[in-house]
Amino acid sequence: NAGVMQNPRHLVRRRGQEARLRCSPMKGHSHVYWYRQLPEEGLKFMVYLQKENIIDESGMPKERFSAEFPKEGPSILRIQQVVRGDSAAYFCASSPPGTGITDTQYFGPGTRLTVL
Amino acid sequence: AQSVAQPEDQVNVAEGNPLTVKCTYSVSGNPYLFWYVQYPNRGLQFLLKYITGDNLVKGSYGFEAEFNKSQTSFHLKKPSALVSDSALYFCAVSPGSGNTGKLIFGQGTTLQVKP
Repeated sequence: NAGVMQNPRHLVRRRGQEARLRCSPMKGHSHVYWYRQLPEEGLKFMVYLQKENIIDESGMPKERFSAEFPKEGPSILRIQQVVRGDSAAYFCASSPPGTGITDTQYFGPGTRLTVL
Repeated sequence: AQSVAQPEDQVNVAEGNPLTVKCTYSVSGNPYLFWYVQYPNRGLQFLLKYITGDNLVKGSYGFEAEFNKSQTSFHLKKPSALVSDSALYFCAVSPGSGNTGKLIFGQGTTLQVKP
């Protein structure tokens, strides 16, 4: 049973370019969460999605960031016009259908974004 | 504001000795508490969680944690540390009141176990 998959594992972008981060949840999981880990800091929640729905985007920056979880395919976190401050590790987590607040979230290996 | 605090940036312990990694929280409603471990350049691995019931929770790799409601704490413990336990440990809470399921993480504690 494969775990949460994220790709790419490492992504280098120049300022102003777009970054697309992909996350495939564990089999049978329908909830996806995105978190960002800045250097020397803990993880900060960004967005929570279910298939074709954004449930909670209270942690998403207002501009340049968007996320989707289509009916088919992986969840995508998109960062437009990247800036150096976007450099971080971005982690995706998934959980099975359920109440959400008590379900265990299983994390992927992360995508490390470097903005030059 | 809802938050999680891990008061120690680093904990050093000798192999074979007991270890404790501290965590306190501040949330409204019933807290659901989690511990994760992160090895270098890896994702987070789930260790254990407290939802309800017995205050002492047992998890993976011999770890356990004790929920203390009066002290709003959820310290991680292990009776005998291994060198391979050296990693970054995160405490997290899912606030029970009005929450959609997001986790609030502490800043992490580096555990160093020396032979």
